[in-house]
Amino acid sequence: DGGITQSPKYLFRKEGQNVTLSCEQNLNHDAMYWYRQDPGQGLRLIYYSQIVNDFQKGDIAEGYSVSREKKESFPLTVTSAQKNPTAFYLCASQEGTVVQPQHFGDGTRLSIL
Amino acid sequence: AQKITQTQPGMFVQEKEAVTLDCTYDTSDQSYGLFWYKQPSSGEMIFLIYQGSYDEQNATEGRYSLNFQKARKSANLVISASQLGDSAMYFCAMRVLGNFVFGPGTRLSVLP
Repeated sequence: DGGITQSPKYLFRKEGQNVTLSCEQNLNHDAMYWYRQDPGQGLRLIYYSQIVNDFQKGDIAEGYSVSREKKESFPLTVTSAQKNPTAFYLCASQEGTVVQPQHFGDGTRLSIL
Repeated sequence: AQKITQTQPGMFVQEKEAVTLDCTYDTSDQSYGLFWYKQPSSGEMIFLIYQGSYDEQNATEGRYSLNFQKARKSANLVISASQLGDSAMYFCAMRVLGNFVFGPGTRLSVLP
């Protein structure tokens, strides 16, 4: 089945540690996105990428980094500079036009130990 | 800047009744898309319905319909014949060029 796979489902981070969240899609979509969701809140855009080897900062990019070396993969690294990383992280992809909805993965819950 | 406003943090509806979830948006672009998503407690985001800025007719998908009033910049979601499984968070979103903007969401609770 075509879709978006996020892993792991749950992730724990120690203080001062970088962690990487995986996002893979086999939908052949050009655009990919990372969102952060805090409890009871909406989605806030961290980074997005319209094409391979290119990405743009969203509203809350500080403390995060991404890469887009392959069309199907868009990993997110939560660095030690992100002081409050505990949240639910959602990855999405989309075809290039305005009319298409985003397709989402099942999310990764990140917690601080 | 683009912005989505959902003024109802929480809504209750009796099973089998209809409910309207409000959404207003702000953009200076002429070409944009409006989307509604459902997020159950398990966390996944489920696409419900889409309305394009140039669409003259309101979108419908099964029990979901979108009341699009372009002059008022509103895109309200109407759920008819509510079911217990409709209890979830509902997000209104807008796409302009490469950017998606989400509203804060409305928590809908369907009462038996």
